[in-house]
Amino acid sequence: NAGVTQTPKFRVLKTGQSMTLLCAQDMNHEYMYWYRQDPGMGLRLIHYSVGEGTTAKGEVPDGYNVSRLKKQNFLLGLESAAPSQTSVYFCASRRTSTASEQYFGPGTRLTVT
Amino acid sequence: GQQLNQSPQSMFIQEGEDVSMNCTSSSIFNTWLWYKQDPGEGPVLLIALYKAGELTSNGRLTAQFGITRKDSFLNISASIPSDVGIYFCAGQLIGANSKLTFGKGITLSVRP
Repeated sequence: NAGVTQTPKFRVLKTGQSMTLLCAQDMNHEYMYWYRQDPGMGLRLIHYSVGEGTTAKGEVPDGYNVSRLKKQNFLLGLESAAPSQTSVYFCASRRTSTASEQYFGPGTRLTVT
Repeated sequence: GQQLNQSPQSMFIQEGEDVSMNCTSSSIFNTWLWYKQDPGEGPVLLIALYKAGELTSNGRLTAQFGITRKDSFLNISASIPSDVGIYFCAGQLIGANSKLTFGKGITLSVRP
C-alpha cells in the first residue's frame, strides 16, 4: 500500500496561472480532504469529500475548486493563482464516518510569484 | 471557528528527558488524535483516543483522553534525537462527524 500520494511535490506558478494538484489513496477510504499549512496558522481545511461525486467547503475554500470523480482520487484546482496561495498543501483520507483517523500525504509545496 | 490550544509553541529538552504536552479546548470532543510532523513531510498519526479517561501507549509515547472530554495529554518518555518535530493534537467535535479540529502544534527540539 502506498497510502496517500500527492503530485507534484513542488511547483512554482506565476500569478494568474492555473494548476491542479492530484491526491490519490489506495486504502479504499470514503472521505478525502485538502488542507493548507502556513507558518503560525496550523492546518486549515480547504475542501473535503465524504464520497465519490461529493464535495463540500471547508474553512478556507475561496480561490480553490475540487472534484472527486473517482473514489481514490481528489483533485484540487487553482483557477487563477495568487501569491496568498503560496503554501504547503496536504491531502488526507479517512476510512468512514465511524473512524476519525485521517491519514496524510507527503504534501505539495506551492510558490506563487 | 473552534480551536484547540497547544502551548508553548516550542519546547527544548535534553536527550533522555521525559516531556509532556497538552491540548485544551472549551468544547467537548468525542475523539482525540495526536500527530507528529517531520520537516518536509506530512503529519503521521501517533495515537487515537476514543473514550474519556482512556490511556493509550505507543512505544515511548503515552496519551490520555481527558475525563472532561475537553483536553488530552501526550507524554514522551526517554526522548531521543529523532523525537524532534512538530506535535499536533486534533479532535472531533460531537456532531461534526466529517471534520477534525487541529491545534497549531508544538515544535519539539531535543538537545543531544
